[in-house]
Amino acid sequence: GQQVMQIPQYQHVQEGEDFTTYCNSSTTLSNIQWYKQRPGGHPVFLIQLVKSGEVKKQKRLTFQFGEAKKNSSLHITATQTTDVGTYFCAGDTNAGKSTFGDGTTLTVKP
Amino acid sequence: DAGVTQSPTHLIKTRGQQVTLRCSPKSGHDTVSWYQQALGQGPQFIFQYYEEEERQRGNFPDRFSGHQFPNYSSELNVNALLLGDSALYLCASSSRQFNSPLHFGNGTRLTVT
Repeated sequence: GQQVMQIPQYQHVQEGEDFTTYCNSSTTLSNIQWYKQRPGGHPVFLIQLVKSGEVKKQKRLTFQFGEAKKNSSLHITATQTTDVGTYFCAGDTNAGKSTFGDGTTLTVKP
Repeated sequence: DAGVTQSPTHLIKTRGQQVTLRCSPKSGHDTVSWYQQALGQGPQFIFQYYEEEERQRGNFPDRFSGHQFPNYSSELNVNALLLGDSALYLCASSSRQFNSPLHFGNGTRLTVT
């Protein structure tokens, strides 16, 4: 079945440093979503990418969808302590269900 | 505008027992998906309900069953509980018409002893 892998599993950064997490799917995706889960919380939707090669920005966050629609990345510029949490990608095939990766947990040292 | 609500928030059960978890979707949403999230892992898809029917199912045994009601709310039932069923159970709603992303509830923390 479809698999979605994320790297790295953990990332520790100093406040102000940049952060990137990568997501790879074993199959071509119709779209990909990114979610953030704070400790003790539930996943919260950040963004959805649909088009091949698409790039979207939300303030300090930049999301990319690969040309082959099998990989994606999330880049955070100048991290802040509020960025702490686990970032999940979730890939959709035309079957209509979202398959989540195991996430990248970001910790930020002030 | 109420978001996704789940009940109960926490539950402790004994091996072999049965459990029912409940979910009310976000207003305007018609599709409910259930996920199991073990500690340190991503949410694993259990199944999805739309128009009161199970539309998609993940790799979970038949002990996991569900239901969707005419008001779009949903239940997840797990029979013959195993220790390995201990996890956070997340309900997520979406709108099929608008191909919307998932909106998650706060989850039910199930502990099986």
